[in-house]
Amino acid sequence: DAGVIQSPRHEVTEMGQEVTLRCKPISGHNSLFWYRQTMMRGLELLIYFNNNVPIDDSGMPEDRFSAKMPNASFSTLKIQPSEPRDSAVYFCASSLVSGGNTEAFFGQGTRLTVV
Amino acid sequence: AQSVTQLDSQVPVFEEAPVELRCNYSSSVSVYLFWYVQYPNQGLQLLLKYLSGSTLVESINGFEAEFNKSQTSFHLRKPSVHISDTAEYFCAVSRTGNTGKLIFGQGTTLQVKP
Repeated sequence: DAGVIQSPRHEVTEMGQEVTLRCKPISGHNSLFWYRQTMMRGLELLIYFNNNVPIDDSGMPEDRFSAKMPNASFSTLKIQPSEPRDSAVYFCASSLVSGGNTEAFFGQGTRLTVV
Repeated sequence: AQSVTQLDSQVPVFEEAPVELRCNYSSSVSVYLFWYVQYPNQGLQLLLKYLSGSTLVESINGFEAEFNKSQTSFHLRKPSVHISDTAEYFCAVSRTGNTGKLIFGQGTTLQVKP
């Protein structure tokens, strides 16, 4: 398996623009997680899905952020409108949560810069 | 709720010296414990994990960590470090039953000097 695939790797956008980050989890995994990494706050969970259903979105900072998982092999994280304080590295991770748990596997991340 | 404290933000060490990266956690429920490593401009890679069983867990590249329930610690150790071990190391916990919903510490930068 190619692992968790995120695109794009880098994104530079202007304040006010819409940004969409994409993630393809590992095939067979049933849970997907979006994390954000910043110098100030470290790594924090934004939202996670189980079997394509959002389970916990308490980490989503505000209504400008939204995430979807239309099927088991694809998820998006959208920011609209974007602001400079959204600049961060966004990681997607997937795992298999069942009778036996696998650890979370992380993608390479998307480095977002909002200017 | 769970929390993780990594006591050192940076640990400089000379090549071939031993190292310990400290991690303490707080939780009112049973947890799983993890160490992840992040190389520059890379994602996080699992280094080792404690789910159950033996409290001493080892990685394939010589790191080990010991789960100490009474001290709520999960310190990472290596008897002899290499230059290639230079990276940021994150300790994390999850509630048992969901290994992906992780609470991370702030990270420790290991700087191995020649």
